[in-house]
Amino acid sequence: GAVVSQHPSWVICKSGTSVKIECRSLDFQATTMFWYRQFPKQSLMLMATSNEGSKATYEQGVEKDKFLINHASLTLSTLTVTSAHPEDSSFYICSARSGDRDNQPQHFGDGTRLSIL
Amino acid sequence: GNSVTQMEGPVTLSEEAFLTINCTYTATGYPSLFWYVQYPGEGLQLLLKATKADDKGSNKGFEATYRKETTSFHLEKGSVQVSDSAVYFCALSGYSTLTFGKGTMLLVSP
Repeated sequence: GAVVSQHPSWVICKSGTSVKIECRSLDFQATTMFWYRQFPKQSLMLMATSNEGSKATYEQGVEKDKFLINHASLTLSTLTVTSAHPEDSSFYICSARSGDRDNQPQHFGDGTRLSIL
Repeated sequence: GNSVTQMEGPVTLSEEAFLTINCTYTATGYPSLFWYVQYPGEGLQLLLKATKADDKGSNKGFEATYRKETTSFHLEKGSVQVSDSAVYFCALSGYSTLTFGKGTMLLVSP
């Protein structure tokens, strides 16, 4: 149980393109979803937290107009990197949690490797 | 604020060796503690968790005990396998988010 599917797993595109990444909870309802960014050989950096039906909460330093997050249903959240540039190249990982309590674990997708040429 | 400190890697072991990866934390309140594992090119998988002091989380031969007196949650395994080679992240939850350690790479050779 607690499977999170992230798609696509790998994207290569030209500078200036917008890229959408999907995160789906397959066998549970995700009240809260999280988006992280991971640089090579580093830990995960939380970008934003989204609750179903409300606006995402962005971490300090993360541009909300650059990284658009939509959490329209209890099983789907999307991250759109708008007008992507080479510095946006990274490994993006989503996670989902079924409730609001801190003792509930987050379940992670397999990540999306984004390469902007 | 919350923070997690893990031992730096890589940790290099031979198959069947004993593993310890140290993790200590700083937090207000009573956080839950987790270990996640990340295989190359993949996302994170929950390995085990503990939600209160003295709880022991265990899974796939790995164990960790929530020690409030030493603010620690060290990961142990009695006999590692080559397939355990991965990066291990210690994390604590608080204020609805996870705080991760920097990760410890484990390399197990045959």
